[in-house]
Amino acid sequence: DAGVTQSPTHLIKTRGQQVTLRCSPISGHKSVSWYQQVLGQGPQFIFQYYEKEERGRGNFPDRFSARQFPNYSSELNVNALLLGDSALYLCASSLNSPLHFGNGTRLTVT
Amino acid sequence: DAKTTQPPSMDCAEGRAANLPCNHSTISGNEYVYWYRQIHSQGPQYIIHGLKNNETNEMASLIITEDRKSSTLILPHATLRDTAVYYCIVRVVDYGQNFVFGPGTRLSVLP
Repeated sequence: DAGVTQSPTHLIKTRGQQVTLRCSPISGHKSVSWYQQVLGQGPQFIFQYYEKEERGRGNFPDRFSARQFPNYSSELNVNALLLGDSALYLCASSLNSPLHFGNGTRLTVT
Repeated sequence: DAKTTQPPSMDCAEGRAANLPCNHSTISGNEYVYWYRQIHSQGPQYIIHGLKNNETNEMASLIITEDRKSSTLILPHATLRDTAVYYCIVRVVDYGQNFVFGPGTRLSVLP
């Protein structure tokens, strides 16, 4: 069975640009969440979506937004990129618990 | 969610059991103990979780003390591929996905 898939795997952007990251959950999983992992730290929760509605938000600025589609896939958008946004962005899905993570998108902001 | 404390790093000889401790002295009665690991450049991988009884699956065993204030993840026969950062997390079982990851324990399995 396919796990959580994310695209692209790597991305390089310039400060001030906007980026969209994509996630397809495990088949049958209706809830997805996004995490940011800065080098050397554990993942940090950004958003959770369930049935297309936001169910949780972490301590991130409004430059970060997300949405979930009818097929339960999800996009994470980050506007006005800063150097500090360089990180591994992880998507996870679940039916209830536990979370199942994809391998992430490595975003580098120059 | 309760806070956890783990040693920053541990070594283990290949083929031996790896015992990774976690302290969660403020755990609530309805909070489970979860373990994840993250191999370099990959997403976190779920290992096991439990409430108060010891749990075992194909990957590992989870031993939770009777007072639930600490737990140990046991990898019975560590291999080089078990080298990773191991995260212990406590939280309730609900539909929320806001898991709080600490810095974890970096396990190095040595040949």
